[in-house]
Amino acid sequence: DTAVSQTPKYLVTQMGNDKSIKCEQNLGHDTMYWYKQDSKKFLKIMFSYNNKELIINETVPNRFSPKSPDKAHLNLHINSLELGDSAVYFCASSQQPAGGQYFGPGTRLTVT
Amino acid sequence: ELKVEQNPLFLSMQEGKNYTIYCNYSTTSDRLYWYRQDPGKSLESLFVLLSNGAVKQEGRLMASLDTKARLSTLHITAAVHDLSATYFCAVDLTGNQFYFGTGTSLTVIP
Repeated sequence: DTAVSQTPKYLVTQMGNDKSIKCEQNLGHDTMYWYKQDSKKFLKIMFSYNNKELIINETVPNRFSPKSPDKAHLNLHINSLELGDSAVYFCASSQQPAGGQYFGPGTRLTVT
Repeated sequence: ELKVEQNPLFLSMQEGKNYTIYCNYSTTSDRLYWYRQDPGKSLESLFVLLSNGAVKQEGRLMASLDTKARLSTLHITAAVHDLSATYFCAVDLTGNQFYFGTGTSLTVIP
């Protein structure tokens, strides 16, 4: 069974559209995250949720809105997509305190 | 803001050689993680270091943490081609907030 899964794996869309990425973990972890990896492989944390509560909200445009319906799911909705949103988005989960993170396979978003 | 710097950014080494990747960070933390990423793939957890002086080893890789120097190292012994990947260190600031280093792209040449 896949520990952290994301859908879709690839997403190609036009500027101005709205899209969502879904993430699910079956590890029973309390904390989930969204990261953005740019073309230079730089990884930046976007959001962190603990037991469905938003913990960390880094400087991210408010076009990005996470939603956690339960502690096993963390979805990412993006409004009014821009070219600069093109990246790979990774979902991850961990068990605190101090657990290492398990990453999903990533969603490659291309905005044209 | 916490800064996490890795060096070198790119490393090309011959099989059988030893080398060390360095990870420096700017704010006190005693939680440091190492990850591996193969091209086009996700990140895989390698090591979790949770105290000053912690040392972990797995195969040809050994990681250590010096919290006073704010430095972690990833040492590669007798490199083999299968170790070619990008290696990231990450510092956990608050228990829920991970800052990643710039990554080190390692190529092992036969």
